[in-house]
Amino acid sequence: QQQVKQSPQSLIVQKGGISIINCAYENTAFDYFPWYQQFPGKGPALLIAIRPDVSEKKEGRFTISFNKSAKQFSLHIMDSQPGDSATYFCAASPSGEQGAQKLVFGQGTRLTINP
Amino acid sequence: GAGVSQSPSNKVTEKGKDVELRCDPISGHTALYWYRQRLGQGLEFLIYFQGNSAPDKSGLPSDRFSAERTGESVSTLTIQRTQQEDSAVYLCASSVDRNTEAFFGQGTRLTVV
Repeated sequence: QQQVKQSPQSLIVQKGGISIINCAYENTAFDYFPWYQQFPGKGPALLIAIRPDVSEKKEGRFTISFNKSAKQFSLHIMDSQPGDSATYFCAASPSGEQGAQKLVFGQGTRLTINP
Repeated sequence: GAGVSQSPSNKVTEKGKDVELRCDPISGHTALYWYRQRLGQGLEFLIYFQGNSAPDKSGLPSDRFSAERTGESVSTLTIQRTQQEDSAVYLCASSVDRNTEAFFGQGTRLTVV
């Protein structure tokens, strides 16, 4: 119930294309869904996050789509650039006394944008 | 400081030795988290501090792992009698409080040989 399943494991996209990474969860207590971007040798950095009261959130070229009934959410990167090449992690956490940031992470997607 | 700082960046230790990993959170951040990242895997939650107390230690994998936080600042993660399966990157994160964005450090890469 605590798992977040992420796919694909790796993704290669041409420059200018759309990158799409998907995640699915089981725990209905999850109410915060962030995406993290990690470059080699660095810690993960928050990219964009969504709560279940909206179905979509857009920040620049990055969009989260959220489907509460299907318990799925996805990251779309429009006009993908070589600088977007990194590992992307979806995550989820429940609210409540034990810590809103007790994040459960997906397995990660290594994204490569070919020039 | 400007961000979450962890030391050392890399640590190689012999099996059976104890290690201490240090995290300096962003000043003023009351919440602090430790995660473990095994090669090619996602991050696993280890422990969460609110101030100096740890209301959630549920992710610590065994009694060889312990952590403390003092002065609502620095935290130390201690692994006793290290095993090869402890090899991983240990990441620390902090946030203003438990409901706001967590910022990660660069991690400590632990290799047990």
